[in-house]
Amino acid sequence: DSGVTQTPKHLITATGQRVTLRCSPRSGDLSVYWYQQSLDQGLQFLIQYYNGEERAKGNILERFSAQQFPDLHSELNLSSLELGDSALYFCASSVESVRNEQFFGPGTRLTVL
Amino acid sequence: AQKVTQAQTEISVVEKEDVTLDCVYETRDTTYYLFWYKQPPSGELVFLIRRNSFDEQNEISGRYSWNFQKSTSSFNFTITASQVVDSAVYFCALSGTGANSKLTFGKGITLSVRP
Repeated sequence: DSGVTQTPKHLITATGQRVTLRCSPRSGDLSVYWYQQSLDQGLQFLIQYYNGEERAKGNILERFSAQQFPDLHSELNLSSLELGDSALYFCASSVESVRNEQFFGPGTRLTVL
Repeated sequence: AQKVTQAQTEISVVEKEDVTLDCVYETRDTTYYLFWYKQPPSGELVFLIRRNSFDEQNEISGRYSWNFQKSTSSFNFTITASQVVDSAVYFCALSGTGANSKLTFGKGITLSVRP
């Protein structure tokens, strides 16, 4: 158990809908990262938050947004869903010390029908 | 831009064989970190090992060992005496620091260990 929690574990929805994925980082970790894993794109970085502020952006679509709350949990919002958004979404957290490991949650498997 | 290449896509070995997973990386950062993660069939990503760019000492941890060579930008990972439970997808990843601390992953190597 990495200490990072993600809910829900599975999500099935229809095209055009909006969903929210939730992540709680490990105790003491200030950085939260979101990644998408799909068959065609592999594991891709979406966005990073550090202590409530957006720190880095990757290949995140404009239909997607995220935020980190004062208690450091984070939410990833996906809207106007398309079939191609079906993927495994991972959250990771890090304390960003010299060790720099990121510990991953179990992921949320999103299926868009 | 950072890039990680895992040229091997699938490897199949018989239990107790040693297996080496190759990883080549590209980065312009002077300080960076290299990682290996394991993704078993259950789907979670498990952190295995980390190496800093300023420490080329190679180590062994149990059945795992790694060979980091800056001169060839390679970070290879070896499992000694493989076991069926080692069957998984293995990802090599690279990160910088601070605002560049995101992980850049390779495409992964599917390792199958047969009894």
